[in-house]
Amino acid sequence: EADIYQTPRYLVIGTGKKITLECSQTMGHDKMYWYQQDPGMELHLIHYSYGVNSTEKGDLSSESTVSRIRTEHFPLTLESARPSHTSQYLCASSESGTDYNSPLHFGNGTRLTVT
Amino acid sequence: AQKITQTQPGMFVQEKEAVTLDCTYDTSDQSYGLFWYKQPSSGEMIFLIYQGSYDEQNATEGRYSLNFQKARKSANLVISASQLGDSAMYFCAMREDLDQGGSEKLVFGKGTKLTVNP
Repeated sequence: EADIYQTPRYLVIGTGKKITLECSQTMGHDKMYWYQQDPGMELHLIHYSYGVNSTEKGDLSSESTVSRIRTEHFPLTLESARPSHTSQYLCASSESGTDYNSPLHFGNGTRLTVT
Repeated sequence: AQKITQTQPGMFVQEKEAVTLDCTYDTSDQSYGLFWYKQPSSGEMIFLIYQGSYDEQNATEGRYSLNFQKARKSANLVISASQLGDSAMYFCAMREDLDQGGSEKLVFGKGTKLTVNP
């Protein structure tokens, strides 16, 4: 059973505010990911990390930043939220190694609305 | 680069009947993995089933089975005996290597919205 948690579940915030979306996993996974998903659309990778102190940008350009100071924690920060950031943000993790059958385990997501 | 195509934006099925959700993929890799996820209206992504490129048998997990046709590059999901709770978005995904650091990502299709009618 995957144990990966995201908070908050829903967030409505005004333009210009700084926000941090939290993501934590208790499985000891080295690899973690942030995906962005607009309603009814596919998921796009915006950030990933394959261990402590490693972070990389994904396919979709994003104004957000991430950090990975501890294995279990992978927060995403928006310094100045804008309406274009309104979306769902999904955090995921997976086991290390080159086993192709290791699925990504997802959190419940954060639905962000910027007014 | 890899690509996942789901050509059915929406599908309808009667309760207790079977339904097939289509997925085709494009890759030049010899070794790859294919996944199906379910996303209910609540938003979470639920892993359903996996098929490896070298697996000789089609994967099955309970009411879910994967019709894997490697030569045609298709990996269709079959849901048998549909239930009302199966109504959701379904995403096909393929594992793709990201970089030399040993990480990889899932590339997702656009999804199919399945509605199960009573």
